[in-house]
Amino acid sequence: DAKTTQPNSMESNEEEPVHLPCNHSTISGTDYIHWYRQLPSQGPEYVIHGLTSNVNNRMASLAIAEDRKSSTLILHRATLRDAAVYYCILRPASGGSNYKLTFGKGTLLTVNP
Amino acid sequence: DTEVTQTPKHLVMGMTNKKSLKCEQHMGHRAMYWYKQKAKKPPELMFVYSYEKLSINESVPSRFSPECPNSSLLNLHLHALQPEDSALYLCASRHLQGNRELFFGEGSRLTVL
Repeated sequence: DAKTTQPNSMESNEEEPVHLPCNHSTISGTDYIHWYRQLPSQGPEYVIHGLTSNVNNRMASLAIAEDRKSSTLILHRATLRDAAVYYCILRPASGGSNYKLTFGKGTLLTVNP
Repeated sequence: DTEVTQTPKHLVMGMTNKKSLKCEQHMGHRAMYWYKQKAKKPPELMFVYSYEKLSINESVPSRFSPECPNSSLLNLHLHALQPEDSALYLCASRHLQGNRELFFGEGSRLTVL
């Protein structure tokens, strides 16, 4: 499975934007980029995913580099409820391994009031 | 109903006990997963079921025995566990087509004495 690299931790202030980076230099042409987050004492939850184009949803935006070797998850206005571990995951598009979702170490986001 | 329900939430068992963890979803998802998560570590994939058949076993010891009796239920049977098997066990499910977002339960926290 292709690997992702994320900072171990990041800090933000409430109501400010947060940019969470992810490097995936060995990404293949058909790998989707998925982001999940895990709030304390909860199971992970889906945030957003994309393939080549930037994506927006109600939770966040995903900016994907033109060469697809990196991406950035953007939280437009951080709240205290956004404090969580954020995981960037590559999901192959086809074949048996499509069923796998392999988590890396993730980034622990702390949001200061 | 967009929930994955896991029971029990907490389980304490001895090394000679036999117990089971249960996972249920009513979203029509035909892929179901078991993950294991140790404290301050990312979730690790254990098993994947697709159309109620085991499709991925990540070399999990045989003291963990998964079962998918129907499309809504996923069990994890536990026997002769070791203290190092103490962890949070997460169940997840998803559609096999479309967005393929994984929905996670809140987990069952297992302590092996």
